[in-house]
Amino acid sequence: GQQLNQSPQSMFIQEGEDVSMNCTSSSIFNTWLWYKQDPGEGPVLLIALYKAGELTSNGRLTAQFGITRKDSFLNISASIPSDVGIYFCAGQLSLGNEKLTFGTGTRLTIIP
Amino acid sequence: GAGVSQSPSNKVTEKGKDVELRCDPISGHTALYWYRQSLGQGLEFLIYFQGNSAPDKSGLPSDRFSAERTGGSVSTLTIQRTQQEDSAVYLCASSYPGILGYTFGSGTRLTVV
Repeated sequence: GQQLNQSPQSMFIQEGEDVSMNCTSSSIFNTWLWYKQDPGEGPVLLIALYKAGELTSNGRLTAQFGITRKDSFLNISASIPSDVGIYFCAGQLSLGNEKLTFGTGTRLTIIP
Repeated sequence: GAGVSQSPSNKVTEKGKDVELRCDPISGHTALYWYRQSLGQGLEFLIYFQGNSAPDKSGLPSDRFSAERTGGSVSTLTIQRTQQEDSAVYLCASSYPGILGYTFGSGTRLTVV
């Protein structure tokens, strides 16, 4: 099935650094979401974006819905150890169908 | 319950055997989804139930895969004649209709040997 292209695949950063990751698609999406997955757990929703150009923050997280509706980015400021995990973008292709298409994930590791 | 509950959490099965994976969604959530996550991969959509509507089965990879949802609540994903490529984490999620912020369960890790 279709998947979104997410980059980078992995990141190794030091605590306190800012993080940026993005997601692109050849298709237009109506909604973009960002999830985080901890080891052995299911993904947890971080941010949802509903309109092209929308910029939304949730604490140290900021995400934007690209103006073309084919991309989105997630920034994490001043990273802390609990930010470690896998981040997934997800998009909704069709209004009225809540099926989501997920990205391939960005694995974030914090170097002590 | 408070969250989406999946059982078993781990399942090891021999190639060729059938397996059943169970999902108990959050009470009141009428939408239920199954996704598959292979090692190092993103989440692959399998099937989506919404209330009494016919399920969206467009993601099921073969006719060995089937799912049902009884009484609009508990769902069972069945894989017949398992193959090694079926090894993955199977994630279930539920939500209220029209709400995209699914709540996921912790998944069932299936290993076919």
